[in-house]
Amino acid sequence: QLQLQESGPGLVKPLETLPLTCTVSGASITSTLYYWGWIRQPPGKGLEWIGSVYYSGTTYYKPSLSSRVAISVDTSKNQFSLKLKSVTAADTAIYYCARVAYSSGWWGAFEIWGQGTMVVVSS
Amino acid sequence: SYVLTQPPSVSVAPGKTATITCGGNNIGSKSVHWYQQKPGQAPMVVIYYDKDRPSGIPERFSGSNSGNTATLTISRVDAGDEADYYCQVWHSGGDPPSSVFGGGTKVTVL
Repeated sequence: QLQLQESGPGLVKPLETLPLTCTVSGASITSTLYYWGWIRQPPGKGLEWIGSVYYSGTTYYKPSLSSRVAISVDTSKNQFSLKLKSVTAADTAIYYCARVAYSSGWWGAFEIWGQGTMVVVSS
Repeated sequence: SYVLTQPPSVSVAPGKTATITCGGNNIGSKSVHWYQQKPGQAPMVVIYYDKDRPSGIPERFSGSNSGNTATLTISRVDAGDEADYYCQVWHSGGDPPSSVFGGGTKVTVL
């Protein structure tokens, strides 16, 4: 059974880099049928897509975050990671990782989600 | 950037039908996915590709998409349907693909 599990620090200082990892179990991250993504949700607010990565390393980012975001994949560990630079209080959120189906230009839904991890930006 | 507009809230009596809209420019040309999120839980897909239901999702959940509006309909609503609902699309328009979520609709069962 496919499971995704986020991990990382629960507290990050302002202007530092937020690092998160998503560990995929029950399926290979190298499947050609899926991208892997990060979505966040500030407390009491809606969902925001951050970006997605393919097993080959191809990435797509939300344009307004692209200057601060890097998503990478480690196929040897079946993991993908998020780095968000120069964080502020506005980056405080629950961060989810998820799998999204992809085939020949057709994008599917974020069909499998991790449980989410809360990250607070504070000094 | 592409914007999806949802009503902030919808209230419905048990047994009645809840209709949640998702507005976007020519959204009918895109595939719309719908998510249900209950408090303290991760979102879950309830409708994908406009109208398809994942296994385990009741037939009471249905979707449609045309013109500038996509719609999620929940028939015979019960207390267990009380949740936040989000629509989502992928948008490119000549640029790299980008995913967008609507602002979410809180469904309250009266």
